[in-house]
Amino acid sequence: DAGVIQSPRHEVTEMGQEVTLRCKPISGHDYLFWYRQTMMRGLELLIYFNNNVPIDDSGMPEDRFSAKMPNASFSTLKIQPSEPRDSAVYFCASSFSGLLHFGNGTRLTVT
Amino acid sequence: QKEVEQDPGPLSVPEGAIVSLNCTYSNSAFQYFMWYRQYSRKGPELLMYTYSSGNKEDGRFTAQVDKSSKYISLFIRDSQPSDSATYLCATGGDTAGNKLTFGGGTRVLVKP
Repeated sequence: DAGVIQSPRHEVTEMGQEVTLRCKPISGHDYLFWYRQTMMRGLELLIYFNNNVPIDDSGMPEDRFSAKMPNASFSTLKIQPSEPRDSAVYFCASSFSGLLHFGNGTRLTVT
Repeated sequence: QKEVEQDPGPLSVPEGAIVSLNCTYSNSAFQYFMWYRQYSRKGPELLMYTYSSGNKEDGRFTAQVDKSSKYISLFIRDSQPSDSATYLCATGGDTAGNKLTFGGGTRVLVKP
């Protein structure tokens, strides 16, 4: 089991650019979550999916953020346009029967 | 007030000591309680998982939940330098904690 796989591990971009973060959940897991972690705010839930359907996106900060899950093995989180305050570590997690398994995150820096 | 409060530390202990970590939460509907360990530059990994009140032990780790006071604890016995990490508590109310609320994490340093 390779675990939750996220790419890229690091992303440095300039303000205004589009950023796409990718996630491959653990096979067989029916829930997928996107979290953001910062020193100031800790881990914040952005959005989660059940069986590829978005269930709760109330944590998505603005319309600049969007997430998709076109199939059970792939999800993306897109930020367009990016801003310096979006700099954070973005984690994807998947679960089956409620126990979350996290990827190692994408460290995003927006200059 | 945050839904889950956790002292950020850092908490520094000598090797072999007992590490005591705790969180408080505000939502009485929370039924599921978890502890995650996060090493630097890594994602959180599940350590312990309990449902409702009570104790759960797994090797050197013991998790306690007191729902009457909305207080959860994690104890690490015979601490090792490899236990140095950030420990996050998490709680949830629906089935098996699918939507979790995390504390801010406590950074622990075990000195050899």
